[in-house]
Amino acid sequence: GQQVMQIPQYQHVQEGEDFTTYCNSSTTLSNIQWYKQRPGGHPVFLIQLVKSGEVKKQKRLTFQFEEAKKNSSLHITATQTTDVGTYFCAGQESYGNNRLAFGKGNQVVVIP
Amino acid sequence: DTEVTQTPKHLVMGMTNKKSLKCEQHMGHRAMYWYKQKAKKPPELMFVYSYEKLSINESVPSRFSPECPNSSLLNLHLHALQPEDSALYLCASSTRQVNEQFFGPGTRLTVL
Repeated sequence: GQQVMQIPQYQHVQEGEDFTTYCNSSTTLSNIQWYKQRPGGHPVFLIQLVKSGEVKKQKRLTFQFEEAKKNSSLHITATQTTDVGTYFCAGQESYGNNRLAFGKGNQVVVIP
Repeated sequence: DTEVTQTPKHLVMGMTNKKSLKCEQHMGHRAMYWYKQKAKKPPELMFVYSYEKLSINESVPSRFSPECPNSSLLNLHLHALQPEDSALYLCASSTRQVNEQFFGPGTRLTVL
């Protein structure tokens, strides 16, 4: 079945620095979604990428969906303490069941 | 109204109890979901309702029984649960199954 892998699973990031989290699918995706879950909170939708090679920016966050539509990345610049949380990618397969398969998440700790 | 609400926020129940979790959204979404999330793990899909019909059951034990009384409401009936069922139960909704999901705050369930 579909598998979505995220690397790394944990990151400690100095405030002000940049970091990237990666998401890799075993199958071609129709779209990929990114969610953020703060400690003690619930997943909050960040973005959906649909097109091959798509790049979207939200202020300090840059999301990419590579050409083959299997891999994606989230890059955050000038990390702030508010960026703490777990970032999940979730992929939907091109055909069939429309299940959203979540990666294991990247837990980010920001060091002031 | 752009949120998904869930009640109760916390629930403690014994293994012989029967209880229900409730979820409501008024965004006109036609797909609704139940997820189970253990600490430091991704959400794990349990059930999907599409246009008030059960479209996906991820082989969930029968002690969990979903119900979708109308397009705005989703219930999860619980009976004879086990301690390992203790988790955060998240409800989510989306306009269709392929679109971004809006999560509720969850019900933190403890089974004694």
